[in-house]
Amino acid sequence: AQSVTQPDIHITVSEGASLELRCNYSYGATPYLFWYVQSPGQGLQLLLKYFSGDTLVQGIKGFEAEFKRSQSSFNLRKPSVHWSDAAEYFCAVGLNTDKLIFGTGTRLQVFP
Amino acid sequence: DARVTQTPRHKVTEMGQEVTMRCQPILGHNTVFWYRQTMMQGLELLAYFRNRAPLDDSGMPKDRFSAEMPDATLATLKIQPSEPRDSAVYFCASGRQGGITDTQYFGPGTRLTVL
Repeated sequence: AQSVTQPDIHITVSEGASLELRCNYSYGATPYLFWYVQSPGQGLQLLLKYFSGDTLVQGIKGFEAEFKRSQSSFNLRKPSVHWSDAAEYFCAVGLNTDKLIFGTGTRLQVFP
Repeated sequence: DARVTQTPRHKVTEMGQEVTMRCQPILGHNTVFWYRQTMMQGLELLAYFRNRAPLDDSGMPKDRFSAEMPDATLATLKIQPSEPRDSAVYFCASGRQGGITDTQYFGPGTRLTVL
């Protein structure tokens, strides 16, 4: 069955530090992969997505993610975190329909 | 800046009452999704529509939940009767054309508490 694992429930970083959020997926076919961000009290916003081609994809707000087929991973990165990046981050895998399977999320806390 | 709107934002009700949540998708979007978010289960897809027709409601408890699109500008999710285990945040999302490559735009959610 398709699944998405985000092993880190909660991550704390200092402002200006680099960030990597982990995501592993289980899916038999070529995956469609997404990262969404949810700010407190808000809905989810798409950060970036990968369908094919270049395995390093750029998104909004300075985020990027790298697809590694051999590791079944799609980790999200940012070189320098800002206080406004504090939020919950969801990785998702798309099935070959409209459906998305979401991971359980990683809550990011940023200290000044 | 076009957005998905949801009403009400918060709802507290007693067990057994009917609850109706409303969603206005972004104008021109033809696909609408309903999700439920809980601490235990995370984000789950309940149902979705394309061009107002239901495509999949397999994630929805059929005995008490119903989802409809009376017109292209309104989607509703009803729970009757409501139970405490229905307490969650319910999100609506819309997409321009549907399909897995389409971006889903989420509303702010309705936080439902069933006492």
